[in-house]
Amino acid sequence: KAGVTQTPRYLIKTRGQQVTLSCSPISGHRSVSWYQQTPGQGLQFLFEYFSETQRNKGNFPGRFSGRQFSNSRSEMNVSTLELGDSALYLCASSLSFGGNSPLHFGNGTRLTVT
Amino acid sequence: SQQGEEDPQALSIQEGENATMNCSYKTSINNLQWYRQNSGRGLVHLILIRSNEREKHSGRLRVTLDTSKKSSSLLITASRAADTASYFCATDASTGKLIFGQGTTLQVKP
Repeated sequence: KAGVTQTPRYLIKTRGQQVTLSCSPISGHRSVSWYQQTPGQGLQFLFEYFSETQRNKGNFPGRFSGRQFSNSRSEMNVSTLELGDSALYLCASSLSFGGNSPLHFGNGTRLTVT
Repeated sequence: SQQGEEDPQALSIQEGENATMNCSYKTSINNLQWYRQNSGRGLVHLILIRSNEREKHSGRLRVTLDTSKKSSSLLITASRAADTASYFCATDASTGKLIFGQGTTLQVKP
């Protein structure tokens, strides 16, 4: 089975712009979670989707949004980028939601905001 | 605030030695998971231990869980240079989110 695929791998954006990141889960996995990883804050939970519904959300401002499509692929969007949004964004898929099964991570999208 | 906290933050050992990492958490859990992350890459799932289990093994890995102390440990036996990575524990908080600790950075010297 193919693993979790995240695109693009690297992204450089300017403050104020918006960005969309994409995640293709493992075939058969209906849950997709997103995390932000920075050296200072570690891994922070953004949101989790299951069957196109957002099941859980972290403590991030409304500039961070996501969605999941009927084929379980997911996108996250960050609008009005700030310097502090520079991070590695990780997507993970799993069979069920709510932390009850292992997460399978992609290699992430490294976003740099200048 | 983080649900899980790893200790130590960093660990450096010689190849062949054992490495032990600890994780403490704050609220009751259904399960606890351990992950490994090599530099700049995604996390890899190692072991999931449920709240009614006390110990679990996978190859050279042994995980213990003490729910009365709200703590878990990950033991890597006979470490190899390839085990050099960051190790994270993750717990399912009462809200159903999987929350990660800050991690332990392990360096295994050949």
